Amino acid sequence: KQEVTQIPAALSVPEGENLVLNCSFTDSAIYNLQWFRQDPGKGLTSLLLIQSSQREQTSGRLNASLDKSSGRSTLYIAASQPGDSATYLCAVNLNNDMRFGAGTRLTVKP
Amino acid sequence: EADIYQTPRYLVIGTGKKITLECSQTMGHDKMYWYQQDPGMELHLIHYSYGVNSTEKGDLSSESTVSRIRTEHFPLTLESARPSHTSQYLCASSEFTTDTQYFGPGTRLTVL
Repeated sequence: KQEVTQIPAALSVPEGENLVLNCSFTDSAIYNLQWFRQDPGKGLTSLLLIQSSQREQTSGRLNASLDKSSGRSTLYIAASQPGDSATYLCAVNLNNDMRFGAGTRLTVKP
Repeated sequence: EADIYQTPRYLVIGTGKKITLECSQTMGHDKMYWYQQDPGMELHLIHYSYGVNSTEKGDLSSESTVSRIRTEHFPLTLESARPSHTSQYLCASSEFTTDTQYFGPGTRLTVL
């Protein structure tokens, strides 16, 4: 059974820092991996989707990498801002069977 | 910007009542999903659909049912609500080609 783990569970950093969020999964036979942001009490917003054939995707200050063979993905956030404070979730797609991690709760202090 | 809507946003209801959570999207997506999320926990897929008249159960055992009579509409029904159904329910949709999932704002259900 696919398991998705996110480390750390919570992270607090001062504004301006570059940071890395980690996601690991047990079954490398994935179709794609997606990173989401969730604000308290809200739905999820898609940040980046990496297909299984890709190594990384970039959007603005965000860069996500994928290493299927080792079952790992990282989300890199450059020059963090207080508005980046949220919970970040990764999800792996196994042919429409989406498995989510529990998320990393990020706080960026002004 | 994603156009996917859920109603109601909040619902408090007594045990034994029948409820329907509504989900609509205006993007013409074929795929739609229902997830359940408890506070601070991961999302669990409870139902999904590939298109009209297609419904499948997800990995989380659920006492709910869904229907997909129109592309844009994917309601979830609980025939008899129980306190164990208290949770947040999230609806999502995606295109076949991109797989990027767009989420609604969620319905927070409390069963007393």
